[in-house]
Amino acid sequence: EVQLVESGGGLVQPGGSLRLSCAASGFSFSNFNMHWVRQVTGKGLEWVSSIGSGADTYYADSVKGRFTISRENAKNSFYLEMNNLRAEDTAVYHCARGWLADWGQGTLVTVSS
Amino acid sequence: DVVMTQSPLSLPVTLGQPASISCRSSQSLVHSDGDTYLNWFQQRPGQSPRRLIYKVSNRDSGVPDRFSGSGSGTDFTLKISRVEAEDVGIYYCMQGAHWPPSITFGQGTRLEIK
Repeated sequence: EVQLVESGGGLVQPGGSLRLSCAASGFSFSNFNMHWVRQVTGKGLEWVSSIGSGADTYYADSVKGRFTISRENAKNSFYLEMNNLRAEDTAVYHCARGWLADWGQGTLVTVSS
Repeated sequence: DVVMTQSPLSLPVTLGQPASISCRSSQSLVHSDGDTYLNWFQQRPGQSPRRLIYKVSNRDSGVPDRFSGSGSGTDFTLKISRVEAEDVGIYYCMQGAHWPPSITFGQGTRLEIK
């Protein structure tokens, strides 16, 4: 069974940093593209970042230069390093596999003073 | 960037009646590999999104056959043949044809029981 479990969310002040993790199991992790998608409470889905199976990386314009995605195949995990956080980054962050066939439950990031 | 536009944004439906959601893209979703990368997702209240349909018309495992997807190019439709109570939620279309570099979602359509 495919499982994706996010962690690392929390409350952070504007300008602060957080590192989200997504632990994967139930599939051959190294073979898959992986994604972060966020959702502001009561709003729609927003793609944030992707990392290919070859570790190529892609970012939405709204986070480019502030967020860094990475993966660690030996640990079946990938990450989102978020710096210079803004109030508008407040959202639930989901990790997802492949063509978003599977999603984690999400981790809440709140940016507030 | 590719813009995905869904309609309607709110869809009240009587139980047992059909429902249809439209999704239009600002650019063709036909990839250079020949496939069309248009997915549909369902998000029930309090849950993570769940993929229902991939590449326009392929149902994911466990998805009831009352759900169907169709369309081509820039114009796509999700149909529910007979709405059930468990279908309440928000439905999103998503394009992956222009990934990399980006994935785009529609605004979402809220389906409710009338």
